[in-house]
Amino acid sequence: AQSVTQPDIHITVSEGASLELRCNYSYGATPYLFWYVQSPGQGLQLLLKYFSGDTLVQGIKGFEAEFKRSQSSFNLRKPSVHWSDAAEYFCAVGARNNDMRFGAGTRLTVKP
Amino acid sequence: GAVVSQHPSWVICKSGTSVKIECRSLDFQATTMFWYRQFPKQSLMLMATSNEGSKATYEQGVEKDKFLINHASLTLSTLTVTSAHPEDSSFYICSARSRGGGETQYFGPGTRLLVL
Repeated sequence: AQSVTQPDIHITVSEGASLELRCNYSYGATPYLFWYVQSPGQGLQLLLKYFSGDTLVQGIKGFEAEFKRSQSSFNLRKPSVHWSDAAEYFCAVGARNNDMRFGAGTRLTVKP
Repeated sequence: GAVVSQHPSWVICKSGTSVKIECRSLDFQATTMFWYRQFPKQSLMLMATSNEGSKATYEQGVEKDKFLINHASLTLSTLTVTSAHPEDSSFYICSARSRGGGETQYFGPGTRLLVL
């Protein structure tokens, strides 16, 4: 079965600074990888996904993620963080015709 | 596109009563819907997977008689928390996967349940 690890529980960055959220997965075959964002009391919004092809994936709100098979990683990046990016971020791994497993989440705080 | 709604968005009920939560895919047909539970400051825990027209598949440790799931149509799934108790208080989130839409799940806004 697939699993996901997000090593950082909480990250604080200054507004305008760059951001990288880490995600490592475990799965025997080629995974389907996702990043979702959750604002307090809200559902999850899909930021981006990777199924195949180009390993650098562009998403909404200026986010991107890079799939590195050799490192079993799918880290999320943004070059310049905005205060509105403060939220909880979840990495998830899915498998074909199977369910999705979520990481524990990383809470992002943005300092003014 | 790919909008999922949930109703109600929050509910307060007395212990022992049953609560029904609806999950609807508004602009696509959802062959599979998922129900998750999320405790404060924690990740999502998958409760069950339901395919239209068939019985739901429950994760280990989830009581199927307590959390009744019905997926009667391609756009609607319901979760009924029967005889709710305070420990059932949580944030319940559904997601839907579309027919021909690959493996992406689209999430509803969640339902906050408080059992007194």
